[in-house]
Amino acid sequence: DIQMTQSPSSLSASVGDGVTITCRASQSLSSYLSWYQKKPGKAPRLLIYAASSLQSGVPSRFSGSESGTDFTLTISSLQPEDFATYYCLQSHSTPRTFGQGTKVEIK
Amino acid sequence: QVQLVQSGAEVKKPGASVKVSCKASGYTFTNYYMHWVRQAPGQGLEWMGWINANSGGPNYAQKFQGRVTMTRDTSISTAYMEVSSLRSDDTAIYYCAREELGAPTGFDSWGQGTLVTVSS
Repeated sequence: DIQMTQSPSSLSASVGDGVTITCRASQSLSSYLSWYQKKPGKAPRLLIYAASSLQSGVPSRFSGSESGTDFTLTISSLQPEDFATYYCLQSHSTPRTFGQGTKVEIK
Repeated sequence: QVQLVQSGAEVKKPGASVKVSCKASGYTFTNYYMHWVRQAPGQGLEWMGWINANSGGPNYAQKFQGRVTMTRDTSISTAYMEVSSLRSDDTAIYYCAREELGAPTGFDSWGQGTLVTVSS
C-alpha cells in the first residue's frame, strides 16, 4: 500500500498570509495526486487534481506542485473562507490513501 | 449538472446492517468509479472502497473486507454500500464520490454525506 505523510497537522495563519502544505508519498504516484478542502458539515471539495491542475471554479490562489514523491499545496493569500482542513489523496493505486489532514486555523 | 444524492441519516444498533444509496445524475454513470469515504467524529477522511460502475466489480480496503458490500444499479444510476455487523466505531458520515475511469481527475463530485449512528 502507498503511504501518504502529510505535514504539518495544523497551522495558524492570518488573512493574507501564504501557506504551504506538503504530502510525501512512499512511492511514485505518476502525478495521481489530488487535494481537497473539508469544512465541518460539508462534503470535501476538490481543489487540485493531477498534482498541479486547478479544478474548475477553484480560485487561482490555490496551486499544486510536484517534485518526485513530494507534493505541495500552496495558498498564496489566505482568505477568511479558506480556514478549513486540507487533505491529499493518492489515486495511483488501490487502496486509495488520504493524508492525515492539515487544519488551517486563524491566528 | 453533476449531482450525487445520498439517502438519509440512519440510526442502527450494534450488530445490525445499514445500506446507503447514492443516486447519480448529470453524467454517464458507467464512465466512473464510485468511491465510498467515511469520516468518524474528530477523525480524518478514510477510504473504504470503490465500485467500477461499468463492470460492477468492487475493490475494498482491507479493513472492511468481509463487512462491506458495494453494488450498483445502472438502470437507475445508483450505487449502494452496505456495512454489516455494525459497531459503535462505525458511527460516521459516509460519502460517495465519483472518479473518472483511467484518468487522474481526482474525486471531482461528492454526495452530501449520510450520517450513520450506531448506538444501543
